[in-house]
Amino acid sequence: KQEVTQIPAALSVPEGENLVLNCSFTDSAIYNLQWFRQDPGKGLTSLLLIQSSQREQTSGRLNASLDKSSGRSTLYIAASQPGDSATYLCAVRPTGANSKLTFGKGITLSVRP
Amino acid sequence: EAGVTQSPTHLIKTRGQQATLRCSPISGHTSVYWYQQALGLGLQFLLWYDEGEERNRGNFPPRFSGRQFPNYSSELNVNALELEDSALYLCASSLSFSTDTQYFGPGTRLTVL
Repeated sequence: KQEVTQIPAALSVPEGENLVLNCSFTDSAIYNLQWFRQDPGKGLTSLLLIQSSQREQTSGRLNASLDKSSGRSTLYIAASQPGDSATYLCAVRPTGANSKLTFGKGITLSVRP
Repeated sequence: EAGVTQSPTHLIKTRGQQATLRCSPISGHTSVYWYQQALGLGLQFLLWYDEGEERNRGNFPPRFSGRQFPNYSSELNVNALELEDSALYLCASSLSFSTDTQYFGPGTRLTVL
């Protein structure tokens, strides 16, 4: 059974800091991995999707990497801003027909002005 | 382009009642997914519909059911409500079952008293 872990559960950093959010998963047989952002009480916004054949994806100040063999992904946020404050979730889709996304519990990020 | 919409925004029910939640996917999307996000439990996969068929089901009792209509909108029904069903219910859609980027709606907050 695939398990996705995100540690720590919460993180507080000063504005302008570069930071890394970690995600680990137990089964390396994945189709892809996604990072989402969730603002309090709201739905999820897809940030980056990495296919299993890829090593990383970039969008603006965000960079996500994937190391299937070690079961790890990182989300790098450059020059953090207070507007980046949110919960960041990673989710993996295992291989296999009709497989479903398995989510981590998320990391709640607070960027202090 | 309109995003995923969900109704109602909030729903208050008492134990034993039934709740019906509705979701309209992005135009052209054929896959609809339902998730439950209860406090402290993270995002749990409930149901996945594509082209009117149930593709996958999470580990939830049969009193959680749903359907997808010919226009690809979807309904989630929860019978015999229990206090622990109180949660944010999120709907997501994707272009097809083989396309992985899921776009989430704002959610329905269900409170069971």
